[in-house]
Formats: sequence, structure tokens, C-alpha cells
Amino acid sequence: GDSVTQMEGPVTLSEEAFLTINCTYTATGYPSLFWYVQYPGEGLQLLLKATKADDKGSNKGFEATYRKETTSFHLEKGSVQVSDSAVYFCALSDASPEKLTFGTGTRLTIIP
Amino acid sequence: DVKVTQSSRYLVKRTGEKVFLECVQDMDHENMFWYRQDPGLGLRLIYFSYDVKMKEKGDIPEGYSVSREKKERFSLILESASTNQTSMYLCASRQGPWGNQPQHFGDGTRLSIL
Repeated sequence: GDSVTQMEGPVTLSEEAFLTINCTYTATGYPSLFWYVQYPGEGLQLLLKATKADDKGSNKGFEATYRKETTSFHLEKGSVQVSDSAVYFCALSDASPEKLTFGTGTRLTIIP
Repeated sequence: DVKVTQSSRYLVKRTGEKVFLECVQDMDHENMFWYRQDPGLGLRLIYFSYDVKMKEKGDIPEGYSVSREKKERFSLILESASTNQTSMYLCASRQGPWGNQPQHFGDGTRLSIL
């Protein structure tokens, strides 16, 4: 079945550091890929998405490229801020389009 | 912007009670979903509905049921609450059945079963 594997957290970085959160997936078809972010006390918000190979999703300085050859969708940001502290979820939508398959989430803390 | 509203942020109930969690969306979306979120497990799909009065089981439907009498409202029911149903519950909606469309989430209900 479909699955998403994210790097284990928690991740702690200093402000203005470079961020990478790794995400790899297993799917039978050609999935759409998503990154969601959950700020403390809130629900999940869509951060970015990519629907086909080599697409790059971007939003709020975050980027992720859909790499079919490595089945990856790593999240990157060049200079993180304290306000980026949150839990980040990688997800895919595949042959069962009704369903999103989520990774376990990566908690990110940014220190001033 | 899509607004998905869950009726309670925090709820405390007792074992054996029948519990209702309510969710309303304001964008005329066809699809609605209920997930539970647990540390180390991510989000797991309980039930979803692709239209009024229609429902499909997700990955972990045992102990739960749902109701969708109106398009904007999707209710999750714990028939006889148990302590292992203590969790964060998240409702989501999506415009249609297409996988490349994002789901929009409410703020969640943190449910404690004592």
C-alpha cells in the first residue's frame, strides 16, 4: 500500500539557518504530493503541493520538488524564522483519490 | 478562504458515553473527512463522505460512525466511548473527488475519555 516516510524529529535550528525535512514515498501510481503545516493549537494548513514529476511547489519561502526517480519530496527553506516553528506533514494522494496518506510529522523548533 | 469549523476545541467525556463531534464547512465542498491524530502515528482516516447521505470507511472505522444529512455538516459519532479513543480529531473538506486538490482542515477537537 501507499506510505510516506519523514525524517524523525524533533528538529531544532537557529534563526536564519537552512532547513531540509526529508520525505520519501511509496505509491502504486502517480500520486500528488503535499506538505501541510500545523502551528500550535491549530489544524493543518496546506503549505505547498506538486501534482506531477519535476513540479516544484513553493509558498512562504518553502520549496519542494517532486522527484519520481528518487520517490522524494523534500521540504527546504533557505532562511528559517521563529514563526516557522510548527509540525510539518508530508502527504500523498494516489489511487484512492479520496484518501490522503500522511507521514508521522516532523516537529520544527527555531531558536532566536 | 475555506472555513472548516469544529464545534468544540476541547471535550471531556466518560467511558461508555455516546459522543458527537460536529464539523461544518462553508464552501459547498462535496467531500468531507474525519481523521484522528496521535503522536508518532500521524493522521489516520476514520471515515469520509463524498456527498450527502453517503459515507465510506477509512482505515480505522471501528468504534465510530458518521452522519451527513446536509452538505455542509459532517458528524462523527463515538457509539460507546472508550479510553483508547482519547485523541485529537480533525475534520477536513475538499471540493471534489480529485486527488490533486488539497483538503482544508478545521482546528481540531481534543477529546479526552475518562
